[in-house]
Amino acid sequence: DIQMTQSPSSVSASVGDRVTITCRASQGISSWLAWYQQKPGKAPKLLIYAASSLQSGVPSRFSGSGSGTDFTLTISSLQPEDFATYYCQQANSFPTFGPGTKVDIK
Amino acid sequence: QVQLVQSGAEVKKPGSSVKVSCKASGGTFSSYAISWVRQAPGQGLEWMGRIIPILGIANYAQKFQGRVTITADKSTSTAYMELSSLRSEDTAVYYCARTEADSSGYYRYFDYWGQGTLVTVSS
Repeated sequence: DIQMTQSPSSVSASVGDRVTITCRASQGISSWLAWYQQKPGKAPKLLIYAASSLQSGVPSRFSGSGSGTDFTLTISSLQPEDFATYYCQQANSFPTFGPGTKVDIK
Repeated sequence: QVQLVQSGAEVKKPGSSVKVSCKASGGTFSSYAISWVRQAPGQGLEWMGRIIPILGIANYAQKFQGRVTITADKSTSTAYMELSSLRSEDTAVYYCARTEADSSGYYRYFDYWGQGTLVTVSS
């Protein structure tokens, strides 16, 4: 199985901040990576797929980059509704998820 | 639009089995894959397996091989996940999620999710 790691595990930020989350795969996965946002008590929501493609309806302040083993999710200007937990998921083989990064209010 | 509606919460005894359903509406049920992803309290997401109804093929994560069975009824656009030999560590919210095939025929990303079903395993 491909193992996914994320850093940091949590980040405290303020509205308007730029937030960057990193995801690393245990082996190369080309660009087969997605990012999800999950709020408490809710199902995850697809934000980014194929490492950098924005899912329909997702605000443009979210962006993704990377290929191979190292990937980044960036929120350019954090909004109140963005406080949530973010997961990466590799899609190169049967899916595995990263452990999550919680973005909370500073 | 696509909706996945799951069955309600369950409380089960250790050693028993649970079967959770996921009814799809909108889209073409047979043309996409339905996966099951679970989340233990306060923990991350864990893929358990999937079914591709049009092929009738199910794949399972190694961790759950032999204990999980995923099926689909195309006539009712419903997928099922049955987990047996339940233990306390199986207490979790179980989600179904849809994946469309990409241009190469691979199922990669979960674009629609059910609302989740809480399964509690307790004596």
